[in-house]
Amino acid sequence: QQPVQSPQAVILREGEDAVINCSSSKALYSVHWYRQKHGEAPVFLMILLKGGEQKGHDKISASFNEKKQQSSLYLTASQLSYSGTYFCGTELGGNKLVFGAGTILRVKS
Amino acid sequence: KAGVTQTPRYLIKTRGQQVTLSCSPISGHRSVSWYQQTPGQGLQFLFEYFSETQRNKGNFPGRFSGRQFSNSRSEMNVSTLELGDSALYLCASSFGTNAEKLFFGSGTQLSVL
Repeated sequence: QQPVQSPQAVILREGEDAVINCSSSKALYSVHWYRQKHGEAPVFLMILLKGGEQKGHDKISASFNEKKQQSSLYLTASQLSYSGTYFCGTELGGNKLVFGAGTILRVKS
Repeated sequence: KAGVTQTPRYLIKTRGQQVTLSCSPISGHRSVSWYQQTPGQGLQFLFEYFSETQRNKGNFPGRFSGRQFSNSRSEMNVSTLELGDSALYLCASSFGTNAEKLFFGSGTQLSVL
């Protein structure tokens, strides 16, 4: 039931791009993305809804493929501030989300 | 606008004790969700409250319970603590309950010895 995230970890240099994938074995109604920096609370990035409507962050983009039951988060021209652990969450009803294990992203200068 | 406030920030308990954690949501938010975060299991949903009613519950034993007050503040209680309950407990608030953007607090780090 827990979505599968890949890769588990990625190291980038400033300015490089990254893609984080989130796949589910169950039908997806929405996918939620959060970023958590070490020792801090998770922070909302984006919600992708079934039907293609996208909400959220304008500096990071994402796609939602309903047929493949997969979402991808695209980070372009990465900055040091992008470092953290990225979680995708899939909705089970209301605000009940099941989160993936997370992808650790580290951006080096 | 104040964020989600969780108290206490750190807590150390021994096995068998019980603990109560508190969460004050963002003003105007009526939904409060609780999540447990551990290195091994990641973020796991505990329960969600809206207008003092539990709307959703995760797969946790009955030792984990919660409630919400009329001012939307929420508490969660864990009775008969076990070593495996050591975790960061995160509270998240939102305006409604329809797969909304969640605002997380900084959490309560619980250590059970």
